[in-house]
Amino acid sequence: SQQGEEDPQALSIQEGENATMNCSYKTSINNLQWYRQNSGRGLVHLILIRSNEREKHSGRLRVTLDTSKKSSSLLITASRAADTASYFCATDRGSNYQLIWGAGTKLIIKP
Amino acid sequence: KAGVTQTPRYLIKTRGQQVTLSCSPISGHRSVSWYQQTPGQGLQFLFEYFSETQRNKGNFPGRFSGRQFSNSRSEMNVSTLELGDSALYLCASSLGPGGNTGELFFGEGSRLTVL
Repeated sequence: SQQGEEDPQALSIQEGENATMNCSYKTSINNLQWYRQNSGRGLVHLILIRSNEREKHSGRLRVTLDTSKKSSSLLITASRAADTASYFCATDRGSNYQLIWGAGTKLIIKP
Repeated sequence: KAGVTQTPRYLIKTRGQQVTLSCSPISGHRSVSWYQQTPGQGLQFLFEYFSETQRNKGNFPGRFSGRQFSNSRSEMNVSTLELGDSALYLCASSLGPGGNTGELFFGEGSRLTVL
């Protein structure tokens, strides 16, 4: 069973707008990671946020983590057509456990 | 630094056959994980190997098996193929086990079609 749940399942916005995706999980975690997957390709790591961090930035990406609500959000600012992809969150409970993946949010950026 | 290499990229099999997929991790990475991805089920964890030992296994039948060699290369095998095994099989490598050491590096996947 999957621990992470992303919402929305799909998101379509105009180029230049901001996109926000959310991830919820069920148990305590060590860290949470976000990945991007272009259609039919492998996943690419975007950002990792540890359980003692609340916010992290990487270029146009901003990730927040609220451990009290067991949720995280990924914000992509000034979206571009190349951001069209599926975005997955993965939670890490420790080295004895495999990562738990959400079902993903499919993001479409309209030109 | 070469990335994760998966072979073959595409393959077509018929029901009842068996298939072997290969994954070469990034040099120096000792952990290899395998995932099955289908439109309906999303990303499903198959198994993880670290230093030739299987550390974790997902909820898949015994027809799915894997192994890791001393050079960290890994193979997975699916026997007695079923139509439902059609999927994109992804391999990921990392320095250490689980996600504790940071990011996973994924290959481009092997797309299996079972007819």
